Amino acid sequence: AQSVAQPEDQVNVAEGNPLTVKCTYSVSGNPYLFWYVQYPNRGLQFLLKYITGDNLVKGSYGFEAEFNKSQTSFHLKKPSALVSDSALYFCAVRVYQGGKLIFGQGTELSVKP
Amino acid sequence: GAVVSQHPSWVICKSGTSVKIECRSLDFQATTMFWYRQFPKQSLMLMATSNEGSKATYEQGVEKDKFLINHASLTLSTLTVTSAHPEDSSFYICSAIPLKAGNGNEQFFGPGTRLTVL
Repeated sequence: AQSVAQPEDQVNVAEGNPLTVKCTYSVSGNPYLFWYVQYPNRGLQFLLKYITGDNLVKGSYGFEAEFNKSQTSFHLKKPSALVSDSALYFCAVRVYQGGKLIFGQGTELSVKP
Repeated sequence: GAVVSQHPSWVICKSGTSVKIECRSLDFQATTMFWYRQFPKQSLMLMATSNEGSKATYEQGVEKDKFLINHASLTLSTLTVTSAHPEDSSFYICSAIPLKAGNGNEQFFGPGTRLTVL
């Protein structure tokens, strides 16, 4: 079965420190991987995606993610966290059939001053 | 570009009434739109896939007669919650895939609709 796991419900980081939000996936075939961010009472905003090519993907707001095929991971990273990065982050994978996205359970990121 | 809107952004209704939520792709055409439901601080649960001009495909466990989906044009899909009850209270989010987009293109999400059934 296709699945996406975000092992941490919450990540706490001090402002200015690097942050990592973890994501692992299990799919058959080649995955298309995405990260989205959601602010309270808002829809999802696209951050970045991996389709093919360079394993390190750079996205919006200074975020990046590294695709690791052997570990089936796609962790989200940022070198220096901002308080405004505090939000709910979702990892998602799309498989070929129908274009449906499978979402992880979400990780709440809290960045303290 | 690639903006998706939802209307209304929030709605409060009485138990037993029906509520219609609109999802529009403002600057692109979409043959496929998706409807999700989200409970507080939880992940998005896909309810159905809406294809323009054809019947929606519902996920297992989603009642077709309760959540009516219509995708009448390439820019509009509607979700009608019929005979709403308090347990239907939730945050409903739609998304759309641009026409002719490759499988690697991201979905664009609407801002969501907060439904509260009294």
